Amino acid sequence: AQKITQTQPGMFVQEKEAVTLDCTYDTSDPSYGLFWYKQPSSGEMIFLIYQGSYDQQNATEGRYSLNFQKARKSANLVISASQLGDSAMYFCAMRGRLTGGGNKLTFGTGTQLKVEL
Amino acid sequence: DGGITQSPKYLFRKEGQNVTLSCEQNLNHDAMYWYRQDPGQGLRLIYYSQIVNDFQKGDIAEGYSVSREKKESFPLTVTSAQKNPTAFYLCASSIWTPASGANVLTFGAGSRLTVL
Repeated sequence: AQKITQTQPGMFVQEKEAVTLDCTYDTSDPSYGLFWYKQPSSGEMIFLIYQGSYDQQNATEGRYSLNFQKARKSANLVISASQLGDSAMYFCAMRGRLTGGGNKLTFGTGTQLKVEL
Repeated sequence: DGGITQSPKYLFRKEGQNVTLSCEQNLNHDAMYWYRQDPGQGLRLIYYSQIVNDFQKGDIAEGYSVSREKKESFPLTVTSAQKNPTAFYLCASSIWTPASGANVLTFGAGSRLTVL
């Protein structure tokens, strides 16, 4: 079974500062993928960044980077130069195998980020 | 623009009634999914479909039903057998992207169901 753990229910950060959102995972699959999604108050889930378990380098997408530490089973999201529009719920997710083939995502419980002036 | 359209955005239902949530995509994605989100919890998979006329149960399928008669459409019916149907429902679709190796899910804006 796969499990995603996000231990920070809420975080505050000042505008223009960097913030790290924690994510740890557990899986028995040798090959897996880790995702981060953003959910604004409107409700839609927005894909931010992806890290494959065999990727040699940490993933980066603009102001988002993923601090992947395979031995520690952690995949923390780093947001640099925070903006007011970054205020949202952030979910870490892991790709897992479906019984009928294909993939599904297992989600953590999320971290509510609030960016302050 | 391509995307996923969910309707209605808000829905109220009396106990004992079945309701159907619509999900339509024009992304030409093969796979479609329904997730349920409750406050303080992550998303949980209800049903998924990888191809037309085929679908599989997810982690919490009891009290729900789906159909996949067209590639673009994957409606979810919340039946009266679902004991706690009040929740936020998200539909998603996906396609494999070889460049990243990721099976990235694209989500709709969600439907919020409240049982009175």
